[in-house]
Amino acid sequence: SYVLTQPPSVSVAPGQTAKITCGGNNIGRKSVHWYQQKPGQAPVLVVYDDSDRPSGIPERFSGSNSGNTATLMISRVEAGDEADYYCQVWDNSRDLVFGTGTHFTVL
Amino acid sequence: QLQMQESGPGLVKPSETLSLTCAVSGGSITTSYYYWGWLRQPPGKGLEWIGSIYEATTYYNPSLHSRVAISIDTSKNHVSLKLTSMTAADTAVYYCARYNGGKLWAWGQGTLVTVSS
Repeated sequence: SYVLTQPPSVSVAPGQTAKITCGGNNIGRKSVHWYQQKPGQAPVLVVYDDSDRPSGIPERFSGSNSGNTATLMISRVEAGDEADYYCQVWDNSRDLVFGTGTHFTVL
Repeated sequence: QLQMQESGPGLVKPSETLSLTCAVSGGSITTSYYYWGWLRQPPGKGLEWIGSIYEATTYYNPSLHSRVAISIDTSKNHVSLKLTSMTAADTAVYYCARYNGGKLWAWGQGTLVTVSS
């Protein structure tokens, strides 16, 4: 089965840019989606199809995907961005595959 | 505004079968091009896909395939999950979600299921 690997934790100071990576074999050939999950809440889609944003998601959230790594970028980080973030793909057999998750802390 | 609400027993005994329902409001469960999925998240851990249904075709996580059944009741506008032979490892928050193109646009709030005697 397809495996997506994320760093367990990432920390950034307010106002800086955060990058959260998602590694997978030839992930650049797949569409990657990113979810934000705050404690006690359901996940929320923040980036889809590598780099698009749903309505209502700030432009500070962006994404890229190439080779074996997809990346979620959060610019001008705010305290409210602190959450767990998960990458996800839809593989060839229609299975949903999630990354291992990254706990994002604002210093 | 589409809303989904999971319901079911909060406590299940080992070896029993879990039955959960996801009630959908603000939209029809038969809307074309949407998949309906079940996912779970053990306490303090990551997200795991359990399975999905699309126009009566089901797709299951290979690791759970032998224990899972997902169905749709169009008359009640809900999606159901059955998971057999429950163990402590199945303790988790269970979510239903709607998606297309592989991206999960809408999620229920989740329901915690604890497996304990």
